[in-house]
Amino acid sequence: DTGVSQDPRHKITKRGQNVTFRCDPISEHNRLYWYRQTLGQGPEFLTYFQNEAQLEKSRLLSDRFSAERPKGSFSTLEIQRTEQGDSAMYLCASSSAREALNTEAFFGQGTRLTVV
Amino acid sequence: AQTVTQSQPEMSVQEAETVTLSCTYDTSESDYYLFWYKQPPSRQMILVIRQEAYKQQNATENRFSVNFQKAAKSFSLKISDSQLGDAAMYFCAYRSHDTGTASKLTFGTGTRLQVTL
Repeated sequence: DTGVSQDPRHKITKRGQNVTFRCDPISEHNRLYWYRQTLGQGPEFLTYFQNEAQLEKSRLLSDRFSAERPKGSFSTLEIQRTEQGDSAMYLCASSSAREALNTEAFFGQGTRLTVV
Repeated sequence: AQTVTQSQPEMSVQEAETVTLSCTYDTSESDYYLFWYKQPPSRQMILVIRQEAYKQQNATENRFSVNFQKAAKSFSLKISDSQLGDAAMYFCAYRSHDTGTASKLTFGTGTRLQVTL
C-alpha cells in the first residue's frame, strides 16, 4: 500500500457541470476525511467517515456536495452545479482508530479543481 | 470552536541555521493534540511532529522540536540545521482528544518557509 491515493490530480470544469473525485485510503484505515484548501489558506474540514458511515459534515458542505464511502473502502466526493467559488484543492486523508492500529491522519496529494 | 493562528505568512532561513515558526491556538478543552504538518510544493501533506497536551515534555523528532506553552496556548516549531528539503508550507493543526468530534483537524493558515544557500 503506497498511501492515500486521489484521482484525478487536476480537474478543469465549466461552471454548472458536475464533478466527482475519488479517494482510496490506506487499506487498514477505518476513518476517512475530506478537506478543502483554497489558495493561501489551511485545509478546512468538510466531512468524515468511519467505515461506511458518514458521521460528520461541516456547514461548508452545501447541498451541492455529496460524499459516499460504500463498503467502507474508497470514497467519492461529488459537486453538483459547480460554481467558481468551488475552485480549490480537495484533500483526502485517512487514519485508524482501531485498538490494534491507531494512527494520525495521512493525506493524499489532493485533487485541484478549477471551475471556469 | 477551536481556532489556530499562524502569524508568519513567510519565513526565510539559511541552510544549516535554525528557524522557529510560531503558532497560537484557542480552545476551551483541556485535553487535545497539536501537530505540525509540512506541505511541499505539489506534494502531499506529511506529519512532522505531534504533541499531546497532557504531556509537559516538548516533543522532538530529529531536527524538529516544539516549544509547547499550554497556559499561553502557544506551540512553536523549531527546525535546527535547516536543509533545502525543509522548504515547504508548514501548517499548525489542532485536534480534540474527544473522539466524538471525529478527530478532525483544525489548521492554521500556514507559514511558507524558504531555505537559502
